Amino acid sequence: DIQMTQSPSTLSASVGDRVTITCRASQSISSWLAWYQQKPGKAPKLLIYKASSLESGVPSRFSGSGSGTEFTLTISSLQPDDFVTYYCQQYNSYPWTFGQGTKVEIK
Amino acid sequence: QVQLQESGPGLVKPSQTLSLTCTVSGGSISSGSYYWSWIRQPAGKGLECIGRIYTSGTTNYNPSLTSRVTISVDTSKNQFSLKMSSVTAADTAVYYCARTDYGNNPRGSGFDLWGQGTLVTVSS
Repeated sequence: DIQMTQSPSTLSASVGDRVTITCRASQSISSWLAWYQQKPGKAPKLLIYKASSLESGVPSRFSGSGSGTEFTLTISSLQPDDFVTYYCQQYNSYPWTFGQGTKVEIK
Repeated sequence: QVQLQESGPGLVKPSQTLSLTCTVSGGSISSGSYYWSWIRQPAGKGLECIGRIYTSGTTNYNPSLTSRVTISVDTSKNQFSLKMSSVTAADTAVYYCARTDYGNNPRGSGFDLWGQGTLVTVSS
């Protein structure tokens, strides 16, 4: 299985900050990477697919980049609703696997 | 608007079989090009893909679970189902069903639609 490692595990920031979450794959996954946002008690929500394509309806403050084994999710200006947990997921080969998650908390 | 809804027992005894169903509403499970998946999340932990099914009936399972898992589809009921045998406390988790659109490429583009999730507890 392809291992996905996110960093940091927890990120402390303030409203309006620009933040970046990193996701590394144990082998090349080309651009077959998605990012999700998960609020407490809710299902994950797709934000980004194919590393940098914004899902319909997702605010433009979210962006993704990278290819191969290193990827980033950037939130350009944190909003109060953004202080939740984010996961990356590879879909290059089955079983599709997720990172362990990054919790964005209020500083 | 297509929606997914999981259903099934919330409590299963150890060594028994967990059975869940995902009902697709607002659209036909057979229309379009979709994988239908089961994913689980133990409390406070990350997400794990259990397996997926095409509406043709073709399945792929996580190798770590393949000996215990069966996913099936019933297009007449617009549902797909999960059976997991010989459960233990380690199988306690929120179970989600989800959809992947592979219409533009065989790998799809992530899970674009999720059910709300259902908590299954394995305990005697």
